[in-house]
Amino acid sequence: EIVLTQSPGTLSLSPGERATLSCRASQTISSIYLAWYQHKPGQAPRLLIYGASTRATGIPDRFSGSGSETDFILTITRLEPEDFAVYYCQHYGSSPTWTFGQGTKVEI
Amino acid sequence: QVSLTESGGGVVQPGRSLRLSCAPFGFSFRTYDMHWVRQVPGKGLEWMASIWRDGNTKYYAASARGRFIILRDNSKSSLYLQMNSLTAGDTAVYYCARQGGDTGAFDLWGQGTLVTVSS
Repeated sequence: EIVLTQSPGTLSLSPGERATLSCRASQTISSIYLAWYQHKPGQAPRLLIYGASTRATGIPDRFSGSGSETDFILTITRLEPEDFAVYYCQHYGSSPTWTFGQGTKVEI
Repeated sequence: QVSLTESGGGVVQPGRSLRLSCAPFGFSFRTYDMHWVRQVPGKGLEWMASIWRDGNTKYYAASARGRFIILRDNSKSSLYLQMNSLTAGDTAVYYCARQGGDTGAFDLWGQGTLVTVSS
């Protein structure tokens, strides 16, 4: 079973700053099956990135994803006030199963 | 405008059952694979169950297998999660989600419905 470990647990930043979020897989995974989500309290989670680097429909270009094998990164180049939220990576694996990381909270 | 709306949550006693529903809007439900994901208070997202578009293929997380059943009725455009033998550990917000394609990503989520298991 693949485990996704996200770091840091909490990222304290200011609007306008750059955020770099990490997602590490316990073994090599296909980047095709790596996604990132944004989740705000009381709201539906929102798909940001799929296939490790493809932005979902309507996602601003300040969000970008990269990485391969075991190490993946979500970058938010200039934080907007609405970007403060919890971010999850997710892997779609064989069996099939869907695994989420434990999340990174981006706070002011 | 496409959306998903969950319903059926509430307070239920330990050991009892509850059925959640998910209603789609604005898209052809029968052409998508669907999922249930939950979030225990203070914790992260946890995938629970999946059902393929034909309704015949289903997959479960270990925590759901044997107690939860995922169902769909394409004629009624509805998704369900039948939860049996509930415990306090099942207290969570339950989300339904649509799988957008072969990458396994969930491109549309509902707002969630809260299930509280308590005596």
